[in-house]
Amino acid sequence: GNSVTQMEGPVTLSEEAFLTINCTYTATGYPSLFWYVQYPGEGLQLLLKATKADDKGSNKGFEATYRKETTSFHLEKGSVQVSDSAVYFCALSAGSARQLTFGSGTQLTVLP
Amino acid sequence: NAGVTQTPKFRVLKTGQSMTLLCAQDMNHEYMYWYRQDPGMGLRLIHYSVGEGTTAKGEVPDGYNVSRLKKQNFLLGLESAAPSQTSVYFCASSDTQFSPLHFGNGTRLTVT
Repeated sequence: GNSVTQMEGPVTLSEEAFLTINCTYTATGYPSLFWYVQYPGEGLQLLLKATKADDKGSNKGFEATYRKETTSFHLEKGSVQVSDSAVYFCALSAGSARQLTFGSGTQLTVLP
Repeated sequence: NAGVTQTPKFRVLKTGQSMTLLCAQDMNHEYMYWYRQDPGMGLRLIHYSVGEGTTAKGEVPDGYNVSRLKKQNFLLGLESAAPSQTSVYFCASSDTQFSPLHFGNGTRLTVT
């Protein structure tokens, strides 16, 4: 079956630090890959996505590259802000119904 | 610009009681989903619907029932609540099976 493995948190960084959150996946076929973000008290929001190998998704300074050879989709940001504090979920969509399979989430806290 | 609205926001039930969670979307989306979120486990799909009048089981359907009588509404029912159903429940919708999901803000349910 499909599965997503994420770097365990929590992650605590100082403002302007470099962020990497690791994500690897197992899937049949050719999945689409996503990063969702959940701010406190809210539902998840799509942060970025990539639909085929070597695609790079980007949004709000975050980037992730779909690496088929390593089955990975690591999230990076060059300089985090306090406002980036949230829980980040890696997810994949595959198969005929294209339902999302989520990782366990990584809590990020950015300190001023 | 409501998007996806979930009611109620919070609920406490005693074991054996029943309740219905309501999800309403105003984006004319075909696909609707119910997820539960538990610490360290990410989001797991309970049931989903690919259109009005249709429902299908997800990863963890036991103990839940759903109905999609109107396109804009997706109801999640617990017939006899158990403490294992204590969780945060999220509804989501999407335009197509390939589109990003739009999430509601969640319902926090506690079963004592």
